[in-house]
Amino acid sequence: EAQVTQNPRYLITVTGKKLTVTCSQNMNHEYMSWYRQDPGLGLRQIYYSMNVEVTDKGDVPEGYKVSRKEKRNFPLILESPSPNQTSLYFCASSLGAGLISNQPQHFGDGTRLSIL
Amino acid sequence: DQQVKQNSPSLSVQEGRISILNCDYTNSMFDYFLWYKKYPAEGPTFLISISSIKDKNEDGRFTVFLNKSAKHLSLHIVPSQPGDSAVYFCALMLEGNEKLTFGTGTRLTIIP
Repeated sequence: EAQVTQNPRYLITVTGKKLTVTCSQNMNHEYMSWYRQDPGLGLRQIYYSMNVEVTDKGDVPEGYKVSRKEKRNFPLILESPSPNQTSLYFCASSLGAGLISNQPQHFGDGTRLSIL
Repeated sequence: DQQVKQNSPSLSVQEGRISILNCDYTNSMFDYFLWYKKYPAEGPTFLISISSIKDKNEDGRFTVFLNKSAKHLSLHIVPSQPGDSAVYFCALMLEGNEKLTFGTGTRLTIIP
């Protein structure tokens, strides 16, 4: 089954304790992206990757890091989490050919992070 | 500054009637317009899209309308069914750029 898998699904942690949210896709997609969803703001892009070893900032990258060492994995790293990073996070992937391929982004089921 | 707005945070519609969800945007450069549907505890799933060269696209019960001069996008669902109860996001794309710029979302509730 084609899917984007995020782990963990839920996490409560404390300010300053480094954490990593993993994301893996099994569709051989080139493009992967992280979004955060906040009330009244919709989903905003944090970072994205066009391919292995190619990453770039989205709209709200402050306080986050990513890496793309393998095509299937795109972890999101919070080196020193703060309460304003409490949010619902989504990983997404796509072929990278735009809508010409008629295959828009597929999303994982989300990770709810609470930073106390 | 929110580039894409869905001015109705929530909408309730009787089962069998038409649901109309709206989306307004400010940047006329967008090339593709999408609607995603989201159930609780799940990620958004793609519903329907339209390119900027069209003004209507239909897929079963779902029709998307694009009014470029008004920078307005709408999704019509008819007839509405209880399974349509979800949060709906519009999302916009530029040609050659995979990034999705999302609206703020509308929670649709279908009343049996």
